Amino acid sequence: GNSVTQMEGPVTLSEEAFLTINCTYTATGYPSLFWYVQYPGEGLQLLLKATKADDKGSNKGFEATYRKETTSFHLEKGSVQVSDSAVYFCALMNTGFQKLVFGTGTRLLVSP
Amino acid sequence: GAVVSQHPSWVICKSGTSVKIECRSLDFQATTMFWYRQFPKQSLMLMATSNEGSKATYEQGVEKDKFLINHASLTLSTLTVTSAHPEDSSFYICSAHSGTSGIYEQYFGPGTRLTVT
Repeated sequence: GNSVTQMEGPVTLSEEAFLTINCTYTATGYPSLFWYVQYPGEGLQLLLKATKADDKGSNKGFEATYRKETTSFHLEKGSVQVSDSAVYFCALMNTGFQKLVFGTGTRLLVSP
Repeated sequence: GAVVSQHPSWVICKSGTSVKIECRSLDFQATTMFWYRQFPKQSLMLMATSNEGSKATYEQGVEKDKFLINHASLTLSTLTVTSAHPEDSSFYICSAHSGTSGIYEQYFGPGTRLTVT
């Protein structure tokens, strides 16, 4: 079956530090991959996506590259800000379906 | 744009009673809505998919008679937890898809925390 594994949090960083949140997946076929972010008190928002191998999704300074050979989609940001503190979810969707399969989420805490 | 609201944001009910949770798309028409359940420190689990005007499609293991879903209009879907028990306590999240946005775009509500005492 399809599944997504994320690193456990919380991840605690100082402002301007480099961020990596690991995500690996198991899927049949060729899924599309996503990162969602959930700020306190708000719904999940799509942060970035990649639909095929070697695609790089990017948004707001965040990046993730679809690595088919390692079945990974790690989230990175070169310099985090306090405002990036949130919960980040990695997810996949198989081609032809609308169903999202989520990882457990990783809480990021950025201190000034 | 693309805002989804849920009401209530939290609810406490007694065991054996029913509780209804509303999910509304505020500025677009949602042809498809999804209901998820999230346990602490666990991922969101899809419960069911509903299309406006038709019956919901439930995921394996989800009790249809306990979790009643109604998608009566293009802007409103409701989840009713019938005869609630403490094990139904959870965080329920809905999302909506407009049908005109990209196939990948689901817009999520802020969630409803249900506590059954």
